Amino acid sequence: SQQGEEDPQALSIQEGENATMNCSYKTSINNLQWYRQNSGRGLVHLILIRSNEREKHSGRLRVTLDTSKKSSSLLITASRAADTASYFCATVRNTNAGKSTFGDGTTLTVKP
Amino acid sequence: NAGVMQNPRHLVRRRGQEARLRCSPMKGHSHVYWYRQLPEEGLKFMVYLQKENIIDESGMPKERFSAEFPKEGPSILRIQQVVRGDSAAYFCASSPTVYSGNTIYFGEGSWLTVV
Repeated sequence: SQQGEEDPQALSIQEGENATMNCSYKTSINNLQWYRQNSGRGLVHLILIRSNEREKHSGRLRVTLDTSKKSSSLLITASRAADTASYFCATVRNTNAGKSTFGDGTTLTVKP
Repeated sequence: NAGVMQNPRHLVRRRGQEARLRCSPMKGHSHVYWYRQLPEEGLKFMVYLQKENIIDESGMPKERFSAEFPKEGPSILRIQQVVRGDSAAYFCASSPTVYSGNTIYFGEGSWLTVV
């Protein structure tokens, strides 16, 4: 498997439910970031979590990082139809913020 | 403050033609990164540039692809003699510094279709 691999590949839920997406990686990292991409659009940065942090919150988003298991999770609470998008995790291994390794993403569909 | 600007948004080229994709970083950002996204996949790093310098091109295909970031003007990703496999979305990102604690900001992408 590749660095920054998301699971599941696709997730379909009803509006109001919570959505959890997971990301696993192989090597040591400086930080891990989650992005959202609407179909045909660019990436929107959601959250950055550093390797010495375990959890971060931003609005309805909660990200955890377990460096011992080399994994991260993104939880979206009280989902909305507008949350429908692909979600990617990206790891940064060294001091170069721009050279990130992305997974293939989780496609989230929130049904109204 | 305008974001990262990419153009064209959509480009159609016949096999064998050249494609030129342009990227203007956010104001004050001197670091530019290009990524490629194939259908149903994540982004793959291609190249990292600062003004007039290529810093890391480890993700660039060895042939037909080149990138530049001149002293004046946008960064250019150039693909010569395009083939069908080059059809993808090409994203540019920029950051103010190289520090890994910084967020990088992505443009809306350029979608290349080779027919």
